[in-house]
Parts: sequence; C-alpha cells; structure tokens
Amino acid sequence: GAGVSQSPRYKVAKRGQDVALRCDPISGHVSLFWYQQALGQGPEFLTYFQNEAQLDKSGLPSDRFFAERPEGSVSTLKIQRTQQEDSAVYLCASSFFSESSYNSPLHFGNGTRLTVT
Amino acid sequence: AQSVTQPDIHITVSEGASLELRCNYSYGATPYLFWYVQSPGQGLQLLLKYFSGDTLVQGIKGFEAEFKRSQSSFNLRKPSVHWSDAAEYFCAVAPMNRDDKIIFGKGTRLHILP
Repeated sequence: GAGVSQSPRYKVAKRGQDVALRCDPISGHVSLFWYQQALGQGPEFLTYFQNEAQLDKSGLPSDRFFAERPEGSVSTLKIQRTQQEDSAVYLCASSFFSESSYNSPLHFGNGTRLTVT
Repeated sequence: AQSVTQPDIHITVSEGASLELRCNYSYGATPYLFWYVQSPGQGLQLLLKYFSGDTLVQGIKGFEAEFKRSQSSFNLRKPSVHWSDAAEYFCAVAPMNRDDKIIFGKGTRLHILP
C-alpha cells in the first residue's frame, strides 16, 4: 500500500482481556517502530525491529507487552491482561534504512486507539 | 539523559498571522532534530529535519525551523498561518545514526482563529 496501515482503528477491551494490534509497514521498509501515545502526550518509544529482528524492546512497559515481526514485514503488538493504564493510541512507524534517517524519515500509521474499560 | 521540551501546550494565533513554536533540547552532542505535525485522528507527518549544515531548514507546507546551538533550540516558524495548520506539533530529537532512539516532546496544540 501507499502508507503504513494499522488495524483495528479503534479497540475497546475489558480489563484483563488480551488484545492484538496489527501494523502493515510500507513495502520494503527495513525498520519498524511501535510507539505509545497517551492522551495529551507525545509518542513514547516501545520497541524497534530491523527486518525480523527485535533490536530494542527497552520501551515496553511490562512483560504483558509483546511484539513480533516474524517475516520482516507485518508486525503485531500484543498486550496481555490489559489494564486501564494501557489506554492510549498505539502508533506504528516504518522507515527504509536502518542506519540513518537522513533520507528515510519515519512514516507513521494513523494508530490504533485502545480503550480499556 | 536526552530530552525535548516544548514549553507551550497550547498556542492560538489568528489566520494570516505569523507563528513560532518553541523547542529546546538537552543532549550531549548535536543531535538530529525534527518537527512532526499530527492532525486529529492521524499519524505523525514529518515537516522538516536538521542533520547538519545550514541552520535554517525549510520544510513542507511553508514551515521553517532554525537550529541555534548556543540556545539548544530548534524553533518552528511560519510567516502566515492558514486554518488548515491547526494541529498538534511535535519536536523530536535523535542521536546521529540512531533513528531508533527518537524522543518526542509533549507537543504544542495550535489553534487558529478565523
């Protein structure tokens, strides 16, 4: 597709449920990022993939959060046993080149808004 | 630790007026600097970026930003705003060659008066 696609657009989960958020990056993009954006805040880094390798997961807030990108394209962010504090917009971004963003800026999807009730 | 500060949470300007959004960063070396815009319900779009060279950077939609090393600032400017510029603006910083470490500010919401 022309841009980064995320689904679902909105997700409402009851506390304790598991959720899976999907990201389809731009075809051929090597790097893929997940960010969490709480209401009124800037995006905060969660995790980073270079192809299928998860190179950095230091931003994942707890072991309830898990991300994968098994074939180096589509990525899934899974949250187990959701809590109210997990309510946020989850943004996915991709870029073509891993070493420098000079000629490959981040392209963001529109995000998935997760509401945990 | 590196950080980005956007001191203004909200800014309101009249259509046609000039705009300046402030951004200060804290970093040990000269980082890469970015401005992104986010319209409601949308992802972030890159407006402009600074890596090196000319400290005045031109971006899309008529925006520009000036890197001032002595002030650790990277303020965003536009000479005449349009109603369609109403959005949230994020300043961001990343270490050289490490775009996986982009840190965003908390954002400034721009309101435009008709």
